[in-house]
Amino acid sequence: GQSLEQPSEVTAVEGAIVQINCTYQTSGFYGLSWYQQHDGGAPTFLSYNALDGLEETGRFSSFLSRSDSYGYLLLQELQMKDSASYFCAVSSGSARQLTFGSGTQLTVLP
Amino acid sequence: GAGVSQSPSNKVTEKGKDVELRCDPISGHTALYWYRQRLGQGLEFLIYFQGNSAPDKSGLPSDRFSAERTGESVSTLTIQRTQQEDSAVYLCASSLVQVGYTFGSGTRLTVV
Repeated sequence: GQSLEQPSEVTAVEGAIVQINCTYQTSGFYGLSWYQQHDGGAPTFLSYNALDGLEETGRFSSFLSRSDSYGYLLLQELQMKDSASYFCAVSSGSARQLTFGSGTQLTVLP
Repeated sequence: GAGVSQSPSNKVTEKGKDVELRCDPISGHTALYWYRQRLGQGLEFLIYFQGNSAPDKSGLPSDRFSAERTGESVSTLTIQRTQQEDSAVYLCASSLVQVGYTFGSGTRLTVV
């Protein structure tokens, strides 16, 4: 089966940088995705890493190390609107459906 | 449509009743997924449809749960004889490729 671990809560101040880590155990790994979910809202896709290294999209970057079964999401220049839950998810198996972690609740303080 | 549409947005039902949840995916998206999210939890995979292939039902928690999809369009998730532990938000997602799902806003199911 698959399992993912990520911190349950992270708190940071506006303008800061925060890193949310994710470790996973899976067979047939294809890639690691990150989703953002505001309270009561739908999860929205942020990034996807299939290969080792850093992918940058604006203020958000995502990193993957396949040999370490580890990835992280880096959020820079934090804004209040970044307060949300962040989920890492692995694509695995023949159908490549996503298996999600339990999520990290990010709180951005003024 | 522009996004994934789910209905109803909220459903309160009595224990033992059957419920049917609907998902309208983005037009042209061949893949459709159902997930369940309990309060404060991650997303739990239920079922996956890809085109006309047989669905992957490996995530359905019991035989009370079933889902159908007509071609590459609407899907319905049916829960029979609902139990209180079925209370959750049921999320549908669609995708054209296997990266970057688009989720609907979900159906919040409350079994009383």
